[in-house]
Amino acid sequence: DTAVSQTPKYLVTQMGNDKSIKCEQNLGHDTMYWYKQDSKKFLKIMFSYNNKELIINETVPNRFSPKSPDKAHLNLHINSLELGDSAVYFCASSRGQGFSYEQYFGPGTRLTVT
Amino acid sequence: AQSVTQLDSHVSVSEGTPVLLRCNYSSSYSPSLFWYVQHPNKGLQLLLKYTSAATLVKGINGFEAEFKKSETSFHLTKPSAHMSDAAEYFCVVTEGLKAAGNKLTFGGGTRVLVKP
Repeated sequence: DTAVSQTPKYLVTQMGNDKSIKCEQNLGHDTMYWYKQDSKKFLKIMFSYNNKELIINETVPNRFSPKSPDKAHLNLHINSLELGDSAVYFCASSRGQGFSYEQYFGPGTRLTVT
Repeated sequence: AQSVTQLDSHVSVSEGTPVLLRCNYSSSYSPSLFWYVQHPNKGLQLLLKYTSAATLVKGINGFEAEFKKSETSFHLTKPSAHMSDAAEYFCVVTEGLKAAGNKLTFGGGTRVLVKP
């Protein structure tokens, strides 16, 4: 069974479009995250939710909006896509929001904006 | 504030020889430190973690890391490299600040190439 899954795996779209990436975890974890990995492999956190409540919101354009319908899901919606949004987006989850809890990562979604 | 510096962007080793990946961190509070591995086109997998217990931490696949507070380092080693170790490795720090949640700060990554 896949612990943290993301759909789609690949997403190719044009500038100005709106798209969503979905994430689901079956680990029973309380906390979920979105990370962005750029072309230089640099990883940076974007958002974190704990029990459907937003707890980390880094400096991310308003075009990005996370939504957590329940503890097991954290979706990422992106409006008015730009070329600079091209990246690999990783979802992750952890048992709690304490700093020592390890995070489990999904396989990533490669977004290409043309 | 926390930060991580991986001192080598690329490391090339021969199969069967030791691997050393260097990591220095900066943290205002007692940190937790992790090493993650990312194989090509895959997600990240936890290799090992340090959370203020034993300073020498053993992880999966024969990897280990030593936390040295005086040197603010958390270097990753493996005595004998295997072809399957070819991947990108990330050193990660997080601080014990409740307000920060579990915000991981990643180093820039070290790409390991293993030669036959």
